Order: sequence, then structure tokens, then C-alpha cells
Amino acid sequence: EDQVTQSPEALRLQEGESSSLNCSYTVSGLRGLFWYRQDPGKGPEFLFTLYSAGEEKEKERLKATLTKKESFLHITAPKPEDSATYLCAVQDFGNEKLTFGTGTRLTIIP
Amino acid sequence: KAGVTQTPRYLIKTRGQQVTLSCSPISGHRSVSWYQQTPGQGLQFLFEYFSETQRNKGNFPGRFSGRQFSNSRSEMNVSTLELGDSALYLCASSWGRGTKNIQYFGAGTRLSVL
Repeated sequence: EDQVTQSPEALRLQEGESSSLNCSYTVSGLRGLFWYRQDPGKGPEFLFTLYSAGEEKEKERLKATLTKKESFLHITAPKPEDSATYLCAVQDFGNEKLTFGTGTRLTIIP
Repeated sequence: KAGVTQTPRYLIKTRGQQVTLSCSPISGHRSVSWYQQTPGQGLQFLFEYFSETQRNKGNFPGRFSGRQFSNSRSEMNVSTLELGDSALYLCASSWGRGTKNIQYFGAGTRLSVL
């Protein structure tokens, strides 16, 4: 069965203080690894998808990387508007199902 | 282009009642997946429909069911509600085919069971 573990559970950073979120996974055959951002009271918002080890994707202050066992979401010089819960999910070749981690709650302090 | 629309946004029911939630996918998307989100368990997969057929099902009791219509709109039904069914129910749509297939989520329906 697919499993996803995210760490840390919560992270508080000063504005401008860079850091990384971790997503460790086990999956029978990785079809894709997904990062979503979720704000309180809203549905998850798609950020990135990675398909193979070594792949990297960037969007503004965010950069996602992938190895065979884990993915990192790097946040460079974050701003208060980056505060949210970041969710990692994996999908295997069997079906459409996404298996999610429990998320990292990120707070950026002005 | 309109996103995924879920109705209603909020629901309050009592134990033993049943409830129906609705999801309209992004235009052109043929796959609709449903997830339950709770503080303790996070997001858990309920089921997925493609072209009116259930393709995959998660580990939920038979009280949870769904269907998809010819226009790809989907509904999920929960019968005999229990207190533990209180959660945010999220719908996601995608093309449903191909290796690079992204699921886009709606804002969810917040169900409270009293």
C-alpha cells in the first residue's frame, strides 16, 4: 500500500528565512508525485507534479525536487502570503487515487 | 475557465439522516474523484468515476456511494449518517487518461453531523 510521510508537521519562519519541507514516500510504481497548497476553508490548490527522480520544478519562491524515496519543497525568502498547509501526494500506475501525507502547516511571520 | 464547483458549501445533518453532495467538474474533464478530509486522518480517497463508471474505490463502508452522469457531473451520497462522518468532502476532476494527469480540487462541502 502506498504511504506518504511529511515533516515537519508545523514550521514557523521569519519573513525571508528560507527552508525546506520533506515528503518521504513508498509506492509500488510512481506515476507522479504532487504538491498542493491548502488555505483554511479552501480546497487544495495544485502547485507541482514530478514524474521521475532528478526532476525539478520552480514557481516563484517555490522549488520542488524528487528522488526515488523523497521529495523536497524548498521555499526561498518566503513572504507572509506563503503561509498555508502544504500537502504531498503520490499516485501509482494502478489508478487515479492520490495518497496524501498529513501536510506541513507553514507560518511566515512578518 | 470555470473550476470545480461543489454544492452545497455547508451542511448540517443529524445522526441517521442521509445526505447528497454534488460536484461539477472542469469542462472537458471526465474523471471525478472524491476525498474525505478530517483533522485526524487527513485526505482519504473515497472513490473515482470515469465516463459514468466507478473505476476505483477506497476503504470506506457501503454507506458511502456515488454516481456520475453523462455530463460528467457527480454526486456522492452518505446514508445513515454517523458523528464520525463530520468532515470536509472534496471533489477533484481530471482528464482521467494518460500518464500526466493532474487532479484539480473544488472548495469542498463541510458536513457537520449532530
